Amino acid sequence: AQSVTQLGSHVSVSEGALVLLRCNYSSSVPPYLFWYVQYPNQGLQLLLKYTTGATLVKGINGFEAEFKKSETSFHLTKPSAHMSDAAEYFCAVSDQSGGYQKVTFGTGTKLQVIP
Amino acid sequence: EAQVTQNPRYLITVTGKKLTVTCSQNMNHEYMSWYRQDPGLGLRQIYYSMNVEVTDKGDVPEGYKVSRKEKRNFPLILESPSPNQTSLYFCASSDYAGYEKLFFGSGTQLSVL
Repeated sequence: AQSVTQLGSHVSVSEGALVLLRCNYSSSVPPYLFWYVQYPNQGLQLLLKYTTGATLVKGINGFEAEFKKSETSFHLTKPSAHMSDAAEYFCAVSDQSGGYQKVTFGTGTKLQVIP
Repeated sequence: EAQVTQNPRYLITVTGKKLTVTCSQNMNHEYMSWYRQDPGLGLRQIYYSMNVEVTDKGDVPEGYKVSRKEKRNFPLILESPSPNQTSLYFCASSDYAGYEKLFFGSGTQLSVL
């Protein structure tokens, strides 16, 4: 069974500093990996996804993530945090389970950006 | 505009009073799903539907029902709500389950007293 672990339920960074949100997954087959962002009082929106091919994936708003198979990780980074990045971020893994492609979400990381 | 519409946004009810949360998508997606979001637990899948008349249980289906009579609609039914069903609920749809992104509704905050 697949699972997703997000280290750190809360992360604080200063404006302009590097953002690093960690995600590790377990999956018995090559997975599809996603990062979603949730702004206050809104639904989730896709930031980026990895399916196959290039392991460094670029998403919206300057975010990127690198798929590292050997480490079973898919950490999300952004070189310089902006105040508007304050939100909750969810890592998700998708693989075959019970005959269909099941999506499992991590528990989320709330990002606080300090001015 | 492509969207998933949930109603209502907020709902306060009492234990045992049947309620329905509606979900509609305008993207002709085959796959639809319901999630509940609780602090520290992330999103957990309640039910999903691969197509019209095809539904199946997710990870936390107890106390919930769904139906998929039309492709665009996927209502969530709580026949006898209990306080432990107080949560934030999201409906989502996708063009190709698990391979393409999920489109989420804006959420329904349910409080069961």
